[in-house]
Amino acid sequence: GDSVTQMEGPVTLSEEAFLTINCTYTATGYPSLFWYVQYPGEGLQLLLKATKADDKGSNKGFEATYRKETTSFHLEKGSVQVSDSAVYFCALTTQGGSEKLVFGKGTKLTVNP
Amino acid sequence: GAVVSQHPSRVICKSGTSVKIECRSLDFQATTMFWYRQFPKQSLMLMATSNEGSKATYEQGVEKDKFLINHASLTLSTLTVTSAHPEDSSFYICSARGLQRGALRASTDTQYFGPGTRLTVL
Repeated sequence: GDSVTQMEGPVTLSEEAFLTINCTYTATGYPSLFWYVQYPGEGLQLLLKATKADDKGSNKGFEATYRKETTSFHLEKGSVQVSDSAVYFCALTTQGGSEKLVFGKGTKLTVNP
Repeated sequence: GAVVSQHPSRVICKSGTSVKIECRSLDFQATTMFWYRQFPKQSLMLMATSNEGSKATYEQGVEKDKFLINHASLTLSTLTVTSAHPEDSSFYICSARGLQRGALRASTDTQYFGPGTRLTVL
């Protein structure tokens, strides 16, 4: 079945450090790929998405590129801030499929001043 | 745009009582809504998918008689936890898939999440 694997956390960085959170997927068909962010005590917010190969999603300084050849959608940010501390979830839906979101286990990021 | 609200945000109830959680899409029509459960420090577990005007589809292992879902309109779905027990304590999150309405557009391949409801059963 479809699945998402993302790097285990927690990840702890200093402010202005470079961030990469790895995400790879297994899916039949042509999935759409998403990164969601969950701040403490809150629900999920869509951070960015990509719907086809080579698309780059970007938002708030975060970027991720849909790589079909490596089945990856790694999240990157050049300079993290304390306010980026949250849990990040990689997810996919299969187009024309069940419409369900399949989530990775989440990666907790803590950014220290 | 594409805002989803949940009410209440927190609820504490006694064991054996029922609790209703509302999920509303505020500025778009949602033909499909999803209910998730999230345990501490874990990912989201899909409980059920509900389509407006039809019965919900429950995931394997989720008791449909315990978690009653109603999706009566294009902007409202409710989850009722019946005869709640302490093991039902969790963070319940809904999401909605969008449908273009007038000048407002919500992407139909994207789920928009509510802020979640923290349920504590004593």
